[in-house]
Amino acid sequence: GENVEQHPSTLSVQEGDSAVIKCTYSDSASNYFPWYKQELGKRPQLIIDIRSNVGEKKDQRIAVTLNKTAKHFSLHITETQPEDSAVYFCAAPRGDDKIIFGKGTRLHILP
Amino acid sequence: NAGVTQTPKFQVLKTGQSMTLQCAQDMNHEYMSWYRQDPGMGLRLIHYSVGAGITDQGEVPNGYNVSRSTTEDFPLRLLSAAPSQTSVYFCASSYSGQWREQYFGPGTRLTVT
Repeated sequence: GENVEQHPSTLSVQEGDSAVIKCTYSDSASNYFPWYKQELGKRPQLIIDIRSNVGEKKDQRIAVTLNKTAKHFSLHITETQPEDSAVYFCAAPRGDDKIIFGKGTRLHILP
Repeated sequence: NAGVTQTPKFQVLKTGQSMTLQCAQDMNHEYMSWYRQDPGMGLRLIHYSVGAGITDQGEVPNGYNVSRSTTEDFPLRLLSAAPSQTSVYFCASSYSGQWREQYFGPGTRLTVT
């Protein structure tokens, strides 16, 4: 069944504004939550990840927040730039050695 | 390091044909996996392996076989290609399982007519 739900599927923001993408997961044993960025025609690449012993992690303009009680985590991109246009995927491990990805969010940065 | 490599980059098959997508990594990663990417469906796990000699099914395993005879290689076999298998296929590897960064290959774009 569905383990990782991601919203929204498409997001358009003005350059310079912030973007937020949310994911929920179902396996309460999950304790590692990565975000991947996929540019057009390229492979997915990790941009940030968080483990369940912290609630927030930042790396320059990107941050990830985690709410283990509610089983959701979010990607925040501030001061968006044209190069942030891409598809973003969240993922969460399942206890049976699998890692399950969300369906992706296509982010458009509008000039 | 070459990282994760995949061959071929592109492939066209006729319905019923079989073929093998190759994946290799030179990072001594134990964990390897295959995903397919379709529009609006994200990355769906086909098969994965936690080490040489060990494989298991993912979310969408039907129509695909895998084997893992070495740490480096993880080929994906399509037994009898169907148009529903038209997709982009990504191989990925990581150092110690699903709790670490997944390194993706460049992908194989497969069309089945």
